[in-house]
Amino acid sequence: EAGVVQSPRYKIIEKKQPVAFWCNPISGHNTLYWYRQNLGQGPELLIRYENEEAVDDSQLPKDRFSAERLKGVDSTLKIQPAELGDSAVYLCASSPRQLDEQYFGPGTRLTVT
Amino acid sequence: QKEVEQDPGPLSVPEGAIVSLNCTYSNSAFQYFMWYRQYSRKGPELLMYTYSSGNKEDGRFTAQVDKSSKYISLFIRDSQPSDSATYLCAMDQYTGNQFYFGTGTSLTVIP
Repeated sequence: EAGVVQSPRYKIIEKKQPVAFWCNPISGHNTLYWYRQNLGQGPELLIRYENEEAVDDSQLPKDRFSAERLKGVDSTLKIQPAELGDSAVYLCASSPRQLDEQYFGPGTRLTVT
Repeated sequence: QKEVEQDPGPLSVPEGAIVSLNCTYSNSAFQYFMWYRQYSRKGPELLMYTYSSGNKEDGRFTAQVDKSSKYISLFIRDSQPSDSATYLCAMDQYTGNQFYFGTGTSLTVIP
């Protein structure tokens, strides 16, 4: 079974530029999560989707971050404009509905210069 | 106060040692407890998942939950160099809801 796929794996951009991350969850997983992980820290939830509905986006900085999950499958996370403090690893995870185990992708390492 | 506290280490042990990793938490409503292993430049990988209090064993790994003390542990027996990674604890109140992660403990097993 294929795992969670994320792209790109690495991204280096200058501040004030836009950037987008893509995630393809495990087939059949209705719940999708985006996390941000700073160096030496645990992942912090940005947004959670149940199918195509964002059910928890309370930690998403909405002035510059946006996300979408069209058709309840793939998801895109966007930052516009990026700031130096956005440098982190952005992780996507998915889980089957009503089960707790989350399966993580490899992450996208963002460096903002 | 953070929801979940975890000693960041680093922890260094000789091969074959028993490793004990721990987390404490403040929210008594947490019911689901997980341990993830994260290798460098990889996403977290689920190791153990337990519900409520008690022990769970899987091969060389044993997870313990003590809800009365708000304390969870992961034991690794006969540690191997391949166990060298960061170990993250995570907790949840409701199925599929937000996870609260610890900061992770960095473990190195020396051959």
